[in-house]
Amino acid sequence: QSALTQPPSASGSPGQSVTISCTGTSNDVGGYNYVSWYQHHPGKAPKLMIYEVTKRPSGVPDRFSGSKSGNTASLTVSGLQAEDEADYFCSSYAGSNYFFGTGTQVTVL
Amino acid sequence: QVQLQESGPGLVKTSETLSLTCTVSDYSISSGYYWSWIRQSPGKGLEWIATINYRGTTYYNPSLKSRVAISVDTAKNRFSVKLTSVTAGDTAIYYCARYLGNGFYFDFWGQGTLVTVSS
Repeated sequence: QSALTQPPSASGSPGQSVTISCTGTSNDVGGYNYVSWYQHHPGKAPKLMIYEVTKRPSGVPDRFSGSKSGNTASLTVSGLQAEDEADYFCSSYAGSNYFFGTGTQVTVL
Repeated sequence: QVQLQESGPGLVKTSETLSLTCTVSDYSISSGYYWSWIRQSPGKGLEWIATINYRGTTYYNPSLKSRVAISVDTAKNRFSVKLTSVTAGDTAIYYCARYLGNGFYFDFWGQGTLVTVSS
Protein backbone atom coordinates (compact mmCIF):
# COMPACT_ATOMS: atom_id res chain seq x y z
CA GLN A 1 0.00 0.00 0.00
CA SER A 2 1.32 3.47 -0.79
CA ALA A 3 0.10 6.97 -0.21
CA LEU A 4 -0.26 9.55 -2.94
CA THR A 5 2.47 12.20 -2.87
CA GLN A 6 1.64 15.81 -2.10
CA PRO A 7 3.94 18.73 -1.26
CA PRO A 8 3.98 19.29 2.52
CA SER A 9 3.14 22.96 2.22
CA ALA A 10 1.98 25.68 -0.14
CA SER A 11 1.28 29.35 0.39
CA GLY A 12 0.02 32.47 -1.29
CA SER A 13 -1.15 35.96 -0.53
CA PRO A 14 -4.84 36.87 -0.47
CA GLY A 15 -6.17 37.06 -4.00
CA GLN A 16 -3.40 34.90 -5.44
CA SER A 17 -3.68 31.33 -6.66
CA VAL A 18 -2.12 28.20 -5.25
CA THR A 19 -1.93 24.79 -6.90
CA ILE A 20 -1.43 21.54 -5.03
CA SER A 21 -0.26 18.39 -6.79
CA CYS A 22 -1.16 14.80 -5.99
CA THR A 23 1.05 12.19 -7.63
CA GLY A 24 0.22 8.53 -7.82
CA THR A 25 0.63 5.75 -10.33
CA SER A 26 -1.18 4.25 -13.29
CA ASN A 27 -2.89 1.93 -10.81
CA ASP A 28 -4.66 4.74 -9.01
CA VAL A 29 -4.63 8.41 -10.10
CA GLY A 30 -3.63 7.64 -13.66
CA GLY A 31 -5.94 4.70 -14.07
CA TYR A 32 -9.24 6.17 -12.94
CA ASN A 33 -11.06 9.50 -13.07
CA TYR A 34 -11.96 9.10 -9.42
CA VAL A 35 -9.75 11.62 -7.68
CA SER A 36 -11.27 13.70 -4.91
CA TRP A 37 -9.97 16.53 -2.76
CA TYR A 38 -10.76 17.42 0.84
CA GLN A 39 -10.24 20.48 3.01
CA HIS A 40 -9.47 19.82 6.65
CA HIS A 41 -9.32 22.27 9.47
CA PRO A 42 -7.76 20.32 12.38
CA GLY A 43 -10.33 19.21 14.90
CA LYS A 44 -13.16 19.50 12.42
CA ALA A 45 -14.68 17.11 9.93
CA PRO A 46 -12.92 16.99 6.56
CA LYS A 47 -14.94 18.65 3.79
CA LEU A 48 -15.29 17.39 0.23
CA MET A 49 -14.14 20.06 -2.24
CA ILE A 50 -13.72 18.20 -5.54
CA TYR A 51 -14.82 14.77 -6.74
CA GLU A 52 -14.31 12.81 -9.96
CA VAL A 53 -11.26 14.98 -10.74
CA THR A 54 -13.10 18.18 -11.69
CA LYS A 55 -16.58 18.25 -10.15
CA ARG A 56 -17.53 20.59 -7.31
CA PRO A 57 -20.20 19.69 -4.75
CA SER A 58 -22.98 22.16 -4.20
CA GLY A 59 -21.85 24.98 -1.97
CA VAL A 60 -18.13 24.80 -2.79
CA PRO A 61 -16.94 28.10 -4.30
CA ASP A 62 -15.87 28.02 -7.95
CA ARG A 63 -12.50 29.32 -6.78
CA PHE A 64 -11.69 25.66 -6.23
CA SER A 65 -10.93 23.62 -9.33
CA GLY A 66 -9.43 20.25 -10.09
CA SER A 67 -7.56 18.70 -13.00
CA LYS A 68 -5.49 15.69 -13.91
CA SER A 69 -2.63 14.87 -16.26
CA GLY A 70 -1.28 11.37 -16.37
CA ASN A 71 -0.55 10.14 -12.87
CA THR A 72 -0.78 13.59 -11.27
CA ALA A 73 -3.93 15.36 -10.15
CA SER A 74 -4.03 18.99 -9.07
CA LEU A 75 -6.20 21.26 -6.96
CA THR A 76 -6.10 24.98 -7.68
CA VAL A 77 -7.43 27.57 -5.31
CA SER A 78 -7.87 30.91 -7.06
CA GLY A 79 -8.43 34.21 -5.31
CA LEU A 80 -7.09 32.94 -2.00
CA GLN A 81 -9.04 33.95 1.06
CA ALA A 82 -8.10 33.73 4.72
CA GLU A 83 -10.61 30.93 5.33
CA ASP A 84 -8.84 28.79 2.72
CA GLU A 85 -5.97 28.26 5.15
CA ALA A 86 -6.23 24.58 6.00
CA ASP A 87 -4.84 21.15 5.26
CA TYR A 88 -5.81 19.63 1.91
CA PHE A 89 -5.56 16.01 0.92
CA CYS A 90 -6.37 14.07 -2.20
CA SER A 91 -7.67 10.57 -2.61
CA SER A 92 -8.00 8.12 -5.45
CA TYR A 93 -9.83 4.90 -6.14
CA ALA A 94 -7.36 2.10 -6.89
CA GLY A 95 -9.39 -0.92 -7.82
CA SER A 96 -9.86 -2.99 -4.69
CA ASN A 97 -8.27 -0.32 -2.55
CA TYR A 98 -8.44 3.37 -1.88
CA PHE A 99 -5.44 5.67 -1.35
CA PHE A 100 -5.04 9.08 0.23
CA GLY A 101 -2.50 11.80 -0.26
CA THR A 102 0.15 12.78 2.26
CA GLY A 103 -1.53 16.14 2.79
CA THR A 104 -0.59 19.76 2.06
CA GLN A 105 -0.83 22.60 4.53
CA VAL A 106 -1.95 25.76 2.75
CA THR A 107 -0.99 29.05 4.36
CA VAL A 108 -2.50 32.36 3.39
CA LEU A 109 0.24 34.92 3.91
CA GLN B 1 -26.90 17.88 6.05
CA VAL B 2 -25.77 14.40 7.02
CA GLN B 3 -23.94 14.28 10.34
CA LEU B 4 -21.66 11.54 11.61
CA GLN B 5 -20.27 11.13 15.11
CA GLU B 6 -17.63 8.64 16.17
CA SER B 7 -17.65 7.15 19.67
CA GLY B 8 -15.62 4.61 21.59
CA PRO B 9 -12.72 4.21 24.02
CA GLY B 10 -9.85 6.63 23.63
CA LEU B 11 -7.35 4.16 25.04
CA VAL B 12 -6.95 0.50 24.11
CA LYS B 13 -4.36 -1.91 25.44
CA THR B 14 -1.87 -3.60 23.17
CA SER B 15 -3.13 -6.92 21.74
CA GLU B 16 -6.75 -6.12 22.59
CA THR B 17 -9.62 -5.19 20.28
CA LEU B 18 -10.43 -1.64 19.24
CA SER B 19 -14.17 -1.01 18.84
CA LEU B 20 -15.72 2.17 17.48
CA THR B 21 -19.24 3.19 16.52
CA CYS B 22 -20.42 5.89 14.12
CA THR B 23 -23.88 7.30 14.70
CA VAL B 24 -25.51 8.89 11.66
CA SER B 25 -27.97 11.79 11.96
CA ASP B 26 -30.28 13.47 9.45
CA TYR B 27 -30.05 10.54 7.06
CA SER B 28 -31.30 6.97 7.27
CA ILE B 29 -28.60 4.39 6.58
CA SER B 30 -31.35 2.16 5.16
CA SER B 31 -31.93 4.70 2.40
CA GLY B 32 -28.72 3.67 0.70
CA TYR B 33 -25.11 4.69 0.12
CA TYR B 34 -22.04 3.17 1.67
CA TRP B 35 -20.43 3.83 5.03
CA SER B 36 -16.71 3.80 5.74
CA TRP B 37 -13.98 3.97 8.34
CA ILE B 38 -10.73 5.82 7.68
CA ARG B 39 -7.84 6.54 10.02
CA GLN B 40 -5.02 9.05 10.18
CA SER B 41 -1.81 8.22 11.98
CA PRO B 42 1.44 10.16 12.21
CA GLY B 43 3.40 7.37 10.62
CA LYS B 44 1.11 6.28 7.80
CA GLY B 45 -1.04 9.29 7.04
CA LEU B 46 -4.62 8.64 5.97
CA GLU B 47 -5.62 5.03 5.43
CA TRP B 48 -8.92 3.57 4.28
CA ILE B 49 -10.00 0.76 6.61
CA ALA B 50 -13.33 -0.63 5.46
CA THR B 51 -16.68 0.13 3.84
CA ILE B 52 -20.16 -1.36 4.25
CA ASN B 53 -23.55 -0.75 2.65
CA TYR B 54 -26.95 -0.87 4.29
CA ARG B 55 -27.41 -4.45 3.18
CA GLY B 56 -24.24 -5.50 4.98
CA THR B 57 -21.98 -5.97 1.97
CA THR B 58 -18.42 -5.32 3.13
CA TYR B 59 -15.17 -4.16 1.55
CA TYR B 60 -11.83 -4.19 3.36
CA ASN B 61 -8.37 -2.73 2.91
CA PRO B 62 -6.30 -5.78 1.94
CA SER B 63 -3.56 -4.82 4.42
CA LEU B 64 -5.99 -4.81 7.35
CA LYS B 65 -8.52 -7.39 6.24
CA SER B 66 -7.34 -10.14 8.58
CA ARG B 67 -7.92 -7.96 11.67
CA VAL B 68 -10.95 -5.83 10.76
CA ALA B 69 -14.70 -6.33 10.88
CA ILE B 70 -17.24 -3.68 9.92
CA SER B 71 -20.93 -3.99 10.70
CA VAL B 72 -24.12 -1.97 10.35
CA ASP B 73 -27.15 -1.58 12.63
CA THR B 74 -29.90 0.00 10.57
CA ALA B 75 -32.34 -0.01 13.52
CA LYS B 76 -30.02 2.28 15.49
CA ASN B 77 -28.78 4.07 12.34
CA ARG B 78 -25.17 3.41 13.10
CA PHE B 79 -22.25 1.35 11.92
CA SER B 80 -19.22 0.01 13.73
CA VAL B 81 -15.69 -1.26 13.27
CA LYS B 82 -13.61 -3.71 15.26
CA LEU B 83 -9.85 -4.04 14.90
CA THR B 84 -8.25 -6.97 16.67
CA SER B 85 -4.72 -7.54 18.03
CA VAL B 86 -3.89 -3.84 18.09
CA THR B 87 -0.38 -2.48 18.41
CA ALA B 88 1.06 1.00 18.86
CA GLY B 89 0.93 1.30 15.08
CA ASP B 90 -2.86 1.38 15.27
CA THR B 91 -2.78 4.60 17.28
CA ALA B 92 -4.60 7.11 15.11
CA ILE B 93 -7.51 9.45 14.67
CA TYR B 94 -10.37 7.32 13.38
CA TYR B 95 -12.95 8.90 11.08
CA CYS B 96 -16.26 7.60 9.82
CA ALA B 97 -17.63 8.85 6.52
CA ARG B 98 -20.38 8.35 3.97
CA TYR B 99 -19.07 6.93 0.73
CA LEU B 100 -20.56 7.32 -2.73
CA GLY B 101 -19.76 4.16 -4.62
CA ASN B 102 -20.71 5.51 -8.04
CA GLY B 103 -18.10 8.26 -7.80
CA PHE B 104 -15.71 6.73 -5.31
CA TYR B 105 -15.56 9.63 -2.86
CA PHE B 106 -16.50 10.45 0.72
CA ASP B 107 -19.02 13.28 0.91
CA PHE B 108 -19.64 13.60 4.65
CA TRP B 109 -17.22 12.90 7.47
CA GLY B 110 -17.24 12.82 11.25
CA GLN B 111 -14.84 14.95 13.26
CA GLY B 112 -12.76 11.93 14.18
CA THR B 113 -11.85 10.31 17.46
CA LEU B 114 -8.34 9.71 18.76
CA VAL B 115 -7.55 6.18 19.80
CA THR B 116 -4.27 5.50 21.56
CA VAL B 117 -2.92 1.98 21.85
CA SER B 118 -0.67 1.44 24.85
CA SER B 119 0.32 -1.30 27.19
